[in-house]
Amino acid sequence: DQQVKQNSPSLSVQEGRISILNCDYTNSMFDYFLWYKKYPAEGPTFLISISSIKDKNEDGRFTVFLNKSAKHLSLHIVPSQPGDSAVYFCAASTSNSGGSNYKLTFGKGTLLTVNP
Amino acid sequence: KAGVTQTPRYLIKTRGQQVTLSCSPISGHRSVSWYQQTPGQGLQFLFEYFSETQRNKGNFPGRFSGRQFSNSRSEMNVSTLELGDSALYLCASSETGENQPQHFGDGTRLSIL
Repeated sequence: DQQVKQNSPSLSVQEGRISILNCDYTNSMFDYFLWYKKYPAEGPTFLISISSIKDKNEDGRFTVFLNKSAKHLSLHIVPSQPGDSAVYFCAASTSNSGGSNYKLTFGKGTLLTVNP
Repeated sequence: KAGVTQTPRYLIKTRGQQVTLSCSPISGHRSVSWYQQTPGQGLQFLFEYFSETQRNKGNFPGRFSGRQFSNSRSEMNVSTLELGDSALYLCASSETGENQPQHFGDGTRLSIL
């Protein structure tokens, strides 16, 4: 049962344009969401997070949008740069008292390629 | 500030052996989590430790175990290795673990022959 889904295995965009990466979740208890970027042979690097009390969080070129009713979040990268080419993972956790808030549930990732 | 350090980076073992992987968290971080990454299953949570106590455990067999020391460094152990244990094992740390970003090391690539 995949609770966090990234339905697009890959995405290709031109340098300077917007990249939009999508993520859907099924567990309504999730209330904290994160995006990570991963290069080959390296661990995931934290990019940006959002709490369920917000619907948008921005950090430089990266913006995450959360639609709780649709159980959907997206990461926008503007403008996209060739160095952004990597696998992007969406992750979620819950702040319930059962200890699940210490566990991140990951999607399977989307490979973003930014072409010069 | 130094990042999360995992040792060794690469390891080759044979079926039936056991292995111990090490993780040093970011200074000041007391929560350490372990994840397994495989091509088929993606990133899956193994367990999380805080102040030497396991607070949460993923859905893995008892052959997978871990511990945390008083300096927050952590080790995970896998006994009776199986071919399917071949994976990238990632360690992540955060200050307290609750609704905070976890920061990952570069992982240990374990290959079982």
